[in-house]
Amino acid sequence: DAGVIQSPRHEVTEMGQEVTLRCKPISGHDYLFWYRQTMMRGLELLIYFNNNVPIDDSGMPEDRFSAKMPNASFSTLKIQPSEPRDSAVYFCASRHRGTHEQYFGPGTRLTVT
Amino acid sequence: SQQGEEDPQALSIQEGENATMNCSYKTSINNLQWYRQNSGRGLVHLILIRSNEREKHSGRLRVTLDTSKKSSSLLITASRAADTASYFCAGPGSGTYKYIFGTGTRLKVLA
Repeated sequence: DAGVIQSPRHEVTEMGQEVTLRCKPISGHDYLFWYRQTMMRGLELLIYFNNNVPIDDSGMPEDRFSAKMPNASFSTLKIQPSEPRDSAVYFCASRHRGTHEQYFGPGTRLTVT
Repeated sequence: SQQGEEDPQALSIQEGENATMNCSYKTSINNLQWYRQNSGRGLVHLILIRSNEREKHSGRLRVTLDTSKKSSSLLITASRAADTASYFCAGPGSGTYKYIFGTGTRLKVLA
């Protein structure tokens, strides 16, 4: 298996633009997590899905952030409109039910100017 | 809110020495995990210890858990330059499958 795949790896955009981050979890994994990592706040859980259904989105910072999981092999995290304070590395992770181990993707480094 | 807070924030040692990192957490847990993050990469799972275990080994890693003190430690023995990374503990938050990660310890192993 190729592991968790994220795209793009790097994204530079201007304030006010829409940003869409993509994630393909490991096949067969039931849970998908979106995290944001910054120096100031560390690694924060934004939202997680179970069987494509959002379970907990309490970490989503604002209504500008939205996440979807239309099927078991694809998820998106969208920021609209983007702001400079959204600059961070965004990670997607997946795990199989019955285990606790999460498999992380390589991350998307987002820079909003 | 953070479930785990690591100590020290940064650690620099010579190759061959042992490295010990500590994690304190706030609420009762049924397990705790440790992850490693190399620079520019995603996190990689190292080891999980359950609340009914006091110590667990995996290769050069040794993890301890003291539920009465709400603390855990990760020991890396005979460190190598390749162990240079950030190390995070993660404990379950509200909801069984939601994990909260600590602030991390940045380990630098000098060759």
